[in-house]
Amino acid sequence: GAGVSQSPSNKVTEKGKDVELRCDPISGHTALYWYRQSLGQGLEFLIYFQGNSAPDKSGLPSDRFSAERTGGSVSTLTIQRTQQEDSAVYLCASSLLADSTDTQYFGPGTRLTVL
Amino acid sequence: AQSVSQHNHHVILSEAASLELGCNYSYGGTVNLFWYVQYPGQHLQLLLKYFSGDPLVKGIKGFEAEFIKSKFSFNLRKPSVQWSDTAEYFCALMFSGGYNKLIFGAGTRLAVHP
Repeated sequence: GAGVSQSPSNKVTEKGKDVELRCDPISGHTALYWYRQSLGQGLEFLIYFQGNSAPDKSGLPSDRFSAERTGGSVSTLTIQRTQQEDSAVYLCASSLLADSTDTQYFGPGTRLTVL
Repeated sequence: AQSVSQHNHHVILSEAASLELGCNYSYGGTVNLFWYVQYPGQHLQLLLKYFSGDPLVKGIKGFEAEFIKSKFSFNLRKPSVQWSDTAEYFCALMFSGGYNKLIFGAGTRLAVHP
């Protein structure tokens, strides 16, 4: 596709359940980023991938959060034992290179609601 | 720690009014600066970016921003707003050694009335 895609667009889950969020970056983009947008915290960085490795995981809020990227393309963000404070819009972005001059292109996000 | 402050959380203007949204950052080293926009129901899009050179940067849709290093500021301007500029605007920085992650301000919601 032409842009970054994310699925599902909306996810409602019960507290304590695990969820998986998927990101398909723009084809050929080597860098991939996850961010979270919530009412209380604004837009926060979660994790950065260069290829399949994650040199910066500093934004993951707890060990319940993990992410992987396979084949240098699709990435999955997993949240285990979800809590109500995990409710947010999870955004994925990709850029062609891991270069500070490259534009990060954002996907539409996954809105997660934890009941 | 690096941070970005946007002074105005909500701005209401009439069409044709001039716009200036404030953005200040906290970081002592080299930064790259960005303005992103999120129109209602749409995803984040880049308006403009500054890396080096001319501190006055022009972006899409008639927006511009000026980097003033001495004031740690990167304010967004538009001489005449339109109803279609109604959106949320985010200032962000990227700092050297930061793995290209964006640090965002809290955002400013702009409502333009016809």
